[in-house]
Amino acid sequence: EAGVAQSPRYKIIEKRQSVAFWCNPISGHATLYWYQQILGQGPKLLIQFQNNGVVDDSQLPKDRFSAERLKGVDSTLKIQPAKLEDSAVYLCASSLRGLAGEIEFFGPGTRLTVL
Amino acid sequence: AQSVTQLDSQVPVFEEAPVELRCNYSSSVSVYLFWYVQYPNQGLQLLLKYLSGSTLVKGINGFEAEFNKSQTSFHLRKPSVHISDTAEYFCAVSGPSGNTPLVFGKGTRLSVIA
Repeated sequence: EAGVAQSPRYKIIEKRQSVAFWCNPISGHATLYWYQQILGQGPKLLIQFQNNGVVDDSQLPKDRFSAERLKGVDSTLKIQPAKLEDSAVYLCASSLRGLAGEIEFFGPGTRLTVL
Repeated sequence: AQSVTQLDSQVPVFEEAPVELRCNYSSSVSVYLFWYVQYPNQGLQLLLKYLSGSTLVKGINGFEAEFNKSQTSFHLRKPSVHISDTAEYFCAVSGPSGNTPLVFGKGTRLSVIA
């Protein structure tokens, strides 16, 4: 079974530039998550999708971050414009139905460096 | 709101020695508990989880964890570590119901010394 795919694996940009990350979850998984993991910290949820609808985006900095999952399968996370403090690993995860107690399967992450 | 505290940011241990990584959670309701491992430049991989039932949970790679409701703890243990266990370990909580994502601790860096 294929896992969660993410691209690119690494990205270096200058502040005020824009960047986009892509995620393809495990086939059949209805729920997709984007987490931000800053160096030395645990992952923090940015946004959770159930199919193509947003379940929780309370911690997404909406003035600069946006995400979509138009067809309920793959998803794109965008940052525009980027700030230095956005340097982090962006992890995508998916689960079958998004219910409490379900295992979340993680992709390898995209490491973003903002200069 | 739920929160997770991992008491040690770094734990060095010699190869073949036992190890315990500590995790405490804060929640006013029943929750589900998880331990994930992150190897360098990789995503997170589930080690084990506690949903209900026996408080001693066995996971992959010889790890186990014990749920202690009175102490709100879920410590991870392994009786004999290997060099390959060197990684970052994250404790996480979700629940008790509905569409609740994981809330992670800050992680514990386990370094196994030959």
